[in-house]
Amino acid sequence: AQSVTQLDSQVPVFEEAPVELRCNYSSSVSVYLFWYVQYPNQGLQLLLKYLSGSTLVKGINGFEAEFNKSQTSFHLRKPSVHISDTAEYFCAVMQAGTALIFGKGTTLSVSS
Amino acid sequence: SAVISQKPSRDICQRGTSLTIQCQVDSQVTMMFWYRQQPGQSLTLIATANQGSEATYESGFVIDKFPISRPNLTFSTLTVSNMSPEDSSIYLCSARGAYNEQFFGPGTRLTVL
Repeated sequence: AQSVTQLDSQVPVFEEAPVELRCNYSSSVSVYLFWYVQYPNQGLQLLLKYLSGSTLVKGINGFEAEFNKSQTSFHLRKPSVHISDTAEYFCAVMQAGTALIFGKGTTLSVSS
Repeated sequence: SAVISQKPSRDICQRGTSLTIQCQVDSQVTMMFWYRQQPGQSLTLIATANQGSEATYESGFVIDKFPISRPNLTFSTLTVSNMSPEDSSIYLCSARGAYNEQFFGPGTRLTVL
């Protein structure tokens, strides 16, 4: 069975600073990896996904993530954050034919 | 992409009653799922809704408490039975589209008094 660990429950940063949200996964087979964002009182929005190919994946809103198979990681990065990036971020893993399994989430708080 | 709608969007229910949540997808999908998001928590998979057969439940969730139907490739229902305050959560419907992308409905916010 697969599992996801988000290493930071809360990440406070200042506006225009870079940010990295860390995610590690565990699986005995190949997996697909995702990052979702949930703004306050809103639904889930897909930020980016890794299915195969290039290990550097670019998503919406300037976010990117790098798949590292040897370290079983899929960290999310943004070079310069905005106040509007304040939200809950979820890393998720999926094996072919099964449902997405989510990590516990990381709260990104951007202040001025 | 698939667009998912859920009804109701929110409800306040009394202890001991049941609520059925409807999920409609705008295109045919092979896989549908139901998740629960308790206040301040992540998403937990309740079950996979299988078309034409019984749902597949995750550990900790049982059919008597969360009966699920999926009569066709675009529609599913989740019933929360004999509710208690601990069932207060957001319930989300999800569908797997092409290219292994999973879409989510807006959720049903349930409060049990």
